[in-house]
Amino acid sequence: DADVTQTPRNRITKTGKRIMLECSQTKGHDRMYWYRQDPGLGLRLIYYSFDVKDINKGEISDGYSVSRQAQAKFSLSLESAIPNQTALYFCATSDSRTGEETQYFGPGTRLLVL
Amino acid sequence: QKEVEQDPGPLSVPEGAIVSLNCTYSNSAFQYFMWYRQYSRKGPELLMYTYSSGNKEDGRFTAQVDKSSKYISLFIRDSQPSDSATYLCALRTGGYQKVTFGIGTKLQVIP
Repeated sequence: DADVTQTPRNRITKTGKRIMLECSQTKGHDRMYWYRQDPGLGLRLIYYSFDVKDINKGEISDGYSVSRQAQAKFSLSLESAIPNQTALYFCATSDSRTGEETQYFGPGTRLLVL
Repeated sequence: QKEVEQDPGPLSVPEGAIVSLNCTYSNSAFQYFMWYRQYSRKGPELLMYTYSSGNKEDGRFTAQVDKSSKYISLFIRDSQPSDSATYLCALRTGGYQKVTFGIGTKLQVIP
């Protein structure tokens, strides 16, 4: 079984709709991240969480919100989706105890906003 | 100027070739250097991790860091069609700071 799972894997929605992307991990890591990936722009950090009570904005948080429901679960919401939020979204985790902060990525969610 | 520059390619090589993938960066505070491999429709996976300058080898892969030139490289020896993927460099400063990713170089190894 995958250590980092994301649901849904693909989603088509319409402008103005609220949607939620979910991430779960079984790695026991304390830190979790949400990125989006766009051609020519690479991976950009949306939000990150160091533990359940710690949420931080990344470089492109406008239009997004997150919830860390448990150590293993981190969800990303688009309050009112717009077409330029069409992208590939990745959840990642890391373990602060290792000192390396290596990030482990989920399989991604492909989102299309019409 | 972007913090990290990476040629997006695509780079096509014949099977068995030595591949050289590179990134340059502008922030001298970067201390941790990583290479991720991303297959089509998959998430990135860590390939190599190095701290500070020097070389690190793992099988057919060698990561090289030259902090004086702000230049990092990934070499793949005896390239295989299964190496066809996008390779992203990733850099981080000390303490917790966000990881800065390159845009990725798409590699195709032709049988």
